[in-house]
Formats: sequence, C-alpha cells, structure tokens
Amino acid sequence: KQEVTQIPAALSVPEGENLVLNCSFTDSAIYNLQWFRQDPGKGLTSLLLIQSSQREQTSGRLNASLDKSSGRSTLYIAASQPGDSATYLCAVRRRAGKSTFGDGTTLTVKP
Amino acid sequence: EAGVAQSPRYKIIEKRQSVAFWCNPISGHATLYWYQQILGQGPKLLIQFQNNGVVDDSQLPKDRFSAERLKGVDSTLKIQPAKLEDSAVYLCASSSFTGLNQPQHFGDGTRLSIL
Repeated sequence: KQEVTQIPAALSVPEGENLVLNCSFTDSAIYNLQWFRQDPGKGLTSLLLIQSSQREQTSGRLNASLDKSSGRSTLYIAASQPGDSATYLCAVRRRAGKSTFGDGTTLTVKP
Repeated sequence: EAGVAQSPRYKIIEKRQSVAFWCNPISGHATLYWYQQILGQGPKLLIQFQNNGVVDDSQLPKDRFSAERLKGVDSTLKIQPAKLEDSAVYLCASSSFTGLNQPQHFGDGTRLSIL
C-alpha cells in the first residue's frame, strides 16, 4: 500500500526567502507525481506534474524534482511572496491509475 | 475553458438523512473522480469513472455511498444515511483520457456538515 508523507506539516517564512517542501512515498513503482496548491475553502490547483521518467519540472518560480529510487520529491519555491501562502499537497499515481495524496504542508509567507 | 463545477457549495444535514452532490467535469474529460477530504488531511479517492464505467471504487463505503455517471458526463454522489464521520469536503476532479500523465483538475468542492 502506497503511503505519502509530507514534512513539515506547517512552515512559516519571511517574504523573499527561497524554500523547499518535501514529499516522500513508500512504493517507487509510480507513474507520476503531481504537486497541488489548495487555498482555504477552495479545491486543488495543479502546479506541476512529473512523469516517472523525468527528474524535474519547472514553472516560473516553482521547480519540482523527483527521485524515484529514494522515494522523494521536492518542491522548490524561489523568492517567496505572501500570495504563495496556501497548503501544498503532493499526489503519487500508480500504474493502475489511483492517486494517493499526502496531508500537505501549510505555508505562511510573512510580509 | 470552464472548470469543474460542483454544487451545492455547502450542505448541513442531520445524521441519518440523505444528501446528494453534483459534478460537471471539464468538457471532453473522460475521467471523473470523487474524493473525500477530511479537515487537515489530503483527499482520499472514493470512486473513479472512465466515461460511464467504474474504474476504482475500492474505498467507497458501498453500504451508504453511491455514485453514478450517466451518459459519461455529469456525475452525482449520494450518501444515505449520513453519519457524523461523513463530515468533510467532497471534491470532484476530472482529467482527459490520453494516458495517465494528464493532470487532474479539481472543483471547489461541497462542504458537508453532519449535525
């Protein structure tokens, strides 16, 4: 059974800081890994999707990496802004199609 | 393109009552998912449809939950009878079916409170 862990559960940083969010998973036989952002009272917004054959994906100030062998992914946010405050979740998809989500890291960026 | 639409946004019912949620996926998306998200946790898959067929419902409590996707477009999720532990946000997501590497797109969810 796939288990996905995100540590820390909460993170507070000053504006402008670069930061890394972590996602670990127990079963390396994955098809892809997707990072989402969730604002309070809202659904999930897809940020980046990394296929199992890829090592990283970039979008603007976001960079996500994937190391299947160690069961880890990181989401790097450069030059953080107060608008980046949200909960960030990772989801790991198995070949059968089902995605398993972590419980998320709640990020607060202080002005 | 229009996003995933869900209604209602909020629902408050008493335990043992029934409730239904509706989802309209992004146009052309063949795959539809229903998730349950309990406060402070990540979403848990309840059921996945491919067009109007069920792909995975292994975590759906079938004694009280049911879902359908007639005509392979809109979907409804029903709970009957509701229990206190069903208080959660119910999220609908969709993705296009050109392989498993298509991202999931989520609606804003229905927040269900059981009294």
